[in-house]
Amino acid sequence: KAGVTQTPRYLIKTRGQQVTLSCSPISGHRSVSWYQQTPGQGLQFLFEYFSETQRNKGNFPGRFSGRQFSNSRSEMNVSTLELGDSALYLCASSLEGNTIYFGEGSWLTVV
Amino acid sequence: GQQLNQSPQSMFIQEGEDVSMNCTSSSIFNTWLWYKQDPGEGPVLLIALYKAGELTSNGRLTAQFGITRKDSFLNISASIPSDVGIYFCAGQGSNYKLTFGKGTLLTVNP
Repeated sequence: KAGVTQTPRYLIKTRGQQVTLSCSPISGHRSVSWYQQTPGQGLQFLFEYFSETQRNKGNFPGRFSGRQFSNSRSEMNVSTLELGDSALYLCASSLEGNTIYFGEGSWLTVV
Repeated sequence: GQQLNQSPQSMFIQEGEDVSMNCTSSSIFNTWLWYKQDPGEGPVLLIALYKAGELTSNGRLTAQFGITRKDSFLNISASIPSDVGIYFCAGQGSNYKLTFGKGTLLTVNP
């Protein structure tokens, strides 16, 4: 059974640009959640989608948004990138939202 | 918001030694999860705990869900060099939202 797949793995963007990250959950999983990981702040919850609806949201500004498609695949978007947005962005999936399994992450560097 | 205190922050041990780390919370959780993260990779689920008092093993790893539902510990027995990494605890409340500890960096000296 394939795990959680995230693309791209690495990317470099310039301040002010926007970025879209993609996540394909484990087959059959309906919940997808996103986390930002930085050395200073650790793992911070961004948002969770279940059956195409945002079920939970963390404390991030409106520049961070996401969506989930009918096939459970999810995307997150960050607009007007800032240097502080440089981080490892992790996607995780689960059947109903309980036990979650992470992908390998997308490394974003903002210059 | 919910706070998770994970300790210790780091450990440096000799191969073969046992390791213990724990997490405490100001809030009650319904689920405790333990993950290991290697450099450049995503966290990998080690053990999931769903019931207060539950004690679960996965090979050399043993984790327990505290009776008060506000704490959990992870033990690693007879450590080996590949145990090196960052270990995270995570607690989940009724809203499915996960709160993570800051992690325990484990270094194993061969």
